[in-house]
Amino acid sequence: DGGITQSPKYLFRKEGQNVTLSCEQNLNHDAMYWYRQDPGQGLRLIYYSQIVNDFQKGDIAEGYSVSREKKESFPLTVTSAQKNPTAFYLCASMDGSGGRWTEAFFGQGTRLTVV
Amino acid sequence: AQSVTQLDSHVSVSEGTPVLLRCNYSSSYSPSLFWYVQHPNKGLQLLLKYTSAATLVKGINGFEAEFKKSETSFHLTKPSAHMSDAAEYFCVVSDLGSARQLTFGSGTQLTVLP
Repeated sequence: DGGITQSPKYLFRKEGQNVTLSCEQNLNHDAMYWYRQDPGQGLRLIYYSQIVNDFQKGDIAEGYSVSREKKESFPLTVTSAQKNPTAFYLCASMDGSGGRWTEAFFGQGTRLTVV
Repeated sequence: AQSVTQLDSHVSVSEGTPVLLRCNYSSSYSPSLFWYVQHPNKGLQLLLKYTSAATLVKGINGFEAEFKKSETSFHLTKPSAHMSDAAEYFCVVSDLGSARQLTFGSGTQLTVLP
């Protein structure tokens, strides 16, 4: 089955540590996204990538980094510079073939907790 | 610029009664609009989408939404609520000419009472 896989489902980080969240898709979608979700705030865009080896900052990129070395993969690193990393992180992808972008498809999320 | 306002942060209905979740949007072009549902600690699942075809859109699980350009609204309805409908719902506006332009509402938590 095609879809987006995020791992791990739950992640615990100590203060000052970097952690990497995995996102893999087998939908052959061009664009991939990382969102952060906090209670009552909807989803906020961290980074997105339309093609391999290229990515753009979203609205809340500070303290995060990404890479897009393969079309299928878009890992997110939460660095120690992120002051309040405890949140639910969602990865998504969209198809841009045909000149128009489709709806977004989402993974099941990773809940990151700082301990 | 585009924006989405979900008019109710919480909605409670009794099982078997109609559901109405309200969404207003603002966009400087012809937008595409979506409703997503999220169950606790899960990703978002697409319920339905409007992409400039029929203004009344039918989705999964008996949900519908009507695009009203004059009112800039895209309200989500269901004739009869089921316990399994309890979840958070997000209205989303998108400029499909740009991969960047996906704007989420703040969500509406739907509670279904027995």
